[in-house]
Amino acid sequence: AQRVTQPEKLLSVFKGAPVELKCNYSYSGSPELFWYVQYSRQRLQLLLRHISRESIKGFTADLNKGETSFHLKKPFAQEEDSAMYYCALGSGNTGKLIFGQGTTLQVKP
Amino acid sequence: DAGITQSPRHKVTETGTPVTLRCHQTENHRYMYWYRQDPGHGLRLIHYSYGVKDTDKGEVSDGYSVSRSKTEDFLLTLESATSSQTSVYFCAIREWGSPYEQYFGPGTRLTVT
Repeated sequence: AQRVTQPEKLLSVFKGAPVELKCNYSYSGSPELFWYVQYSRQRLQLLLRHISRESIKGFTADLNKGETSFHLKKPFAQEEDSAMYYCALGSGNTGKLIFGQGTTLQVKP
Repeated sequence: DAGITQSPRHKVTETGTPVTLRCHQTENHRYMYWYRQDPGHGLRLIHYSYGVKDTDKGEVSDGYSVSRSKTEDFLLTLESATSSQTSVYFCAIREWGSPYEQYFGPGTRLTVT
């Protein structure tokens, strides 16, 4: 079964600390993975896509097929990073996304 | 904002009443999706559309129906609202040139009392 798991509901860190939001997936085939972010009372927006191997707002994510993981990392958290983060897996030929349960990142001053 | 809007943005309704939510896009995207967002469940796909009059069920379609009579509008109907349908509903479109990237609307907060 295709599934995305984000094991942490809440991750609380202090400003300047490193951040790692975990994402594990289950998928038979070559996965396409994304991270979406939702700031308070705003719409979801795409943060990262694994195929482009980019760094956005200091965040990076590496696809590890052996561990079936796509963890999101940032070396130094900022207060403005506080948001809900969703990991998502592309599925099928109709463009469907399977989302994880989401992790709330709280960056304390 | 990629021209995607939702209406209404907030609605309170009573159990048993029908409710229709509208998603409107201005950029002629073929694929459109309806999700619900609930704590502990993330976003779950309700229904999606791959063209005018072409729709299919998602993961949590029971109690919901959809219609797409024009490219720009994708309607989600709760035939007889229940308290378990209290949620935030997001519409999304699939970005041009990408098999999976989606752009989301602002959401509709629905409360069923």
